Amino acid sequence: GAVVSQHPSRVICKSGTSVKIECRSLDFQATTMFWYRQFPKQSLMLMATSNEGSKATYEQGVEKDKFLINHASLTLSTLTVTSAHPEDSSFYICSARDQQASTIYFGEGSWLTVV
Amino acid sequence: DAKTTQPTSMDCAEGRAANLPCNHSTISGNEYVYWYRQIHSQGPQYIIHGLKNNETNEMASLIITEDRKSSTLILPHATLRDTAVYYCIVSLVGATNKLIFGTGTLLAVQP
Repeated sequence: GAVVSQHPSRVICKSGTSVKIECRSLDFQATTMFWYRQFPKQSLMLMATSNEGSKATYEQGVEKDKFLINHASLTLSTLTVTSAHPEDSSFYICSARDQQASTIYFGEGSWLTVV
Repeated sequence: DAKTTQPTSMDCAEGRAANLPCNHSTISGNEYVYWYRQIHSQGPQYIIHGLKNNETNEMASLIITEDRKSSTLILPHATLRDTAVYYCIVSLVGATNKLIFGTGTLLAVQP
């Protein structure tokens, strides 16, 4: 079936640095991908919608200059957490819509720890 | 905001059917009902979705009431590996329509 892959699965970075997380749709093309964040014992919170070839749409309260999203191809979207701080430590999850199946599939998630 | 209501938690005995309810009384005519589950520290896994007819696949069955205001996900023979948080989500089908997660139901399958 359709697979969405994220990389890296775990990353530790120093406070003040930037870190990039990749999201790939492996066997389908995705004009739209979504980025979520999940804190421990909470539900997934939608951060932004990533559109291939255009600017991402951010949810209210999400800083677009801090969470840079690039969707350069039909199979790849990236999320860059800029100037990371310990409070950015979280589980980041991407998803992509397989239009042929009218279904959204999720990646395995990426654990970010900022020290 | 999530447009669904689910119980916070449920228990089920291993080998028995697990019936997870979901209320979506404000669902519109062209919105689908999606079910996902999330096992600890993993991304959500797609289970099933439907519009108004009941659906079945290799994982589960989805029963949607005639008025579409509620649905039930049925895992026919629950195993310990089915312990997870189950999310019921209503959404339009389209390139940019997004899934908004509620709090879900924590299903604990007991040996």
